[in-house]
Amino acid sequence: DAGVIQSPRHEVTEMGQEVTLRCKPISGHNSLFWYRQTMMRGLELLIYFNNNVPIDDSGMPEDRFSAKMPNASFSTLKIQPSEPRDSAVYFCASKQGASEKLFFGSGTQLSVL
Amino acid sequence: KNEVEQSPQNLTAQEGEFITINCSYSVGISALHWLQQHPGGGIVSLFMLSSGKKKHGRLIATINIQEKHSSLHITASHPRDSAVYICAVTGNQFYFGTGTSLTVIP
Repeated sequence: DAGVIQSPRHEVTEMGQEVTLRCKPISGHNSLFWYRQTMMRGLELLIYFNNNVPIDDSGMPEDRFSAKMPNASFSTLKIQPSEPRDSAVYFCASKQGASEKLFFGSGTQLSVL
Repeated sequence: KNEVEQSPQNLTAQEGEFITINCSYSVGISALHWLQQHPGGGIVSLFMLSSGKKKHGRLIATINIQEKHSSLHITASHPRDSAVYICAVTGNQFYFGTGTSLTVIP
């Protein structure tokens, strides 16, 4: 299995632009998580899905952030409009079942200028 | 107030030493995760545990639910163990520790 696949690996954009981050979970995994990591705040959970349904989005910082999971093999995290303070590494992770380990993607390094 | 506290923040050890990283939490949890983040940024989940002890190679993780405490042990440490180790707990929400930066010197 190729593992959790995220794209792009790096994204540099200007303030105000829309940014879309993509994630393909491991086949058969039914839970998907989006995290953000910054030097100041460390790792934070943004949102997670169970069976494609958003379960907890309390970590989504504000209305500029939205996440979708249209099917079991694909999820997006969108920021519109982007701001410099959104600069971070965004990780996607997936797992199968309630008692299994998380598998992380390689992350997307986002820089908003 | 941090729901998850890790100690130490930074740790330097000589190759071969036995290493312990501690994690204390203040919330009710259903599971605790130990994560390893390599210098390149990639994150690997080492353990998920809700009771007792788990072992994988030179790594051992223990959890005491009553004391709300977990430890990650590395036996016969090696320079390739150099990484940031992050404790995370899941309950009503996900909470992360700030990580322990480990450097193992040859």
